[in-house]
Amino acid sequence: DAGVIQSPRHEVTEMGQEVTLRCKPISGHDYLFWYRQTMMRGLELLIYFNNNVPIDDSGMPEDRFSAKMPNASFSTLKIQPSEPRDSAVYFCASRPGGVPGGEQFFGPGTRLTVL
Amino acid sequence: LAKTTQPISMDSYEGQEVNITCSHNNIATNDYITWYQQFPSQGPRFIIQGYKTKVTNEVASLFIPADRKSSTLSLPRVSLSDTAVYYCLVGDGSGYGNKLVFGAGTILRVKS
Repeated sequence: DAGVIQSPRHEVTEMGQEVTLRCKPISGHDYLFWYRQTMMRGLELLIYFNNNVPIDDSGMPEDRFSAKMPNASFSTLKIQPSEPRDSAVYFCASRPGGVPGGEQFFGPGTRLTVL
Repeated sequence: LAKTTQPISMDSYEGQEVNITCSHNNIATNDYITWYQQFPSQGPRFIIQGYKTKVTNEVASLFIPADRKSSTLSLPRVSLSDTAVYYCLVGDGSGYGNKLVFGAGTILRVKS
């Protein structure tokens, strides 16, 4: 398996523009997570899905952020409109269902820069 | 969610054994203890997890005392490539690590 795939790997945009980050989880994994990492706040869980259904979005910073999972092999995180403070590395992770413990499989991340 | 506390940084030399201790006084009965490693510009990578006593795999050992209020990650004979940030995490009490809370982690620097 290729692991969790994220695109793009780098994104540079201007304030006010819409940004869409994409993630393909590992095949067969029932859970998908979106994280954000910054120097100031570390690694934060934004939202996670189980079987394509959002379970907990309490970490989503504000209404400008939205996430969808239309099918088991694809998810998007959208920021509209983007602001400079959204600059961060965004990670997607997945894990199989029914397996106890804390192992999640992370993608390589998308480095977002909002000018 | 149980909070974890671990040293901010540690220095070591190649070939030495490194032990990183993490405290988690409020760990829930169903929580596993999980350790991740993160290199610059990469996503975190699972290293090891355990519930109690000792767990060993090909890269590390995890020691957990009976009260489970702390744990120690042991890296045998580190090399320069082990320089990374190491995170200790416990779960959300469900037994399933869905709401993992990453702290600041421990920056391990291995010198030659």
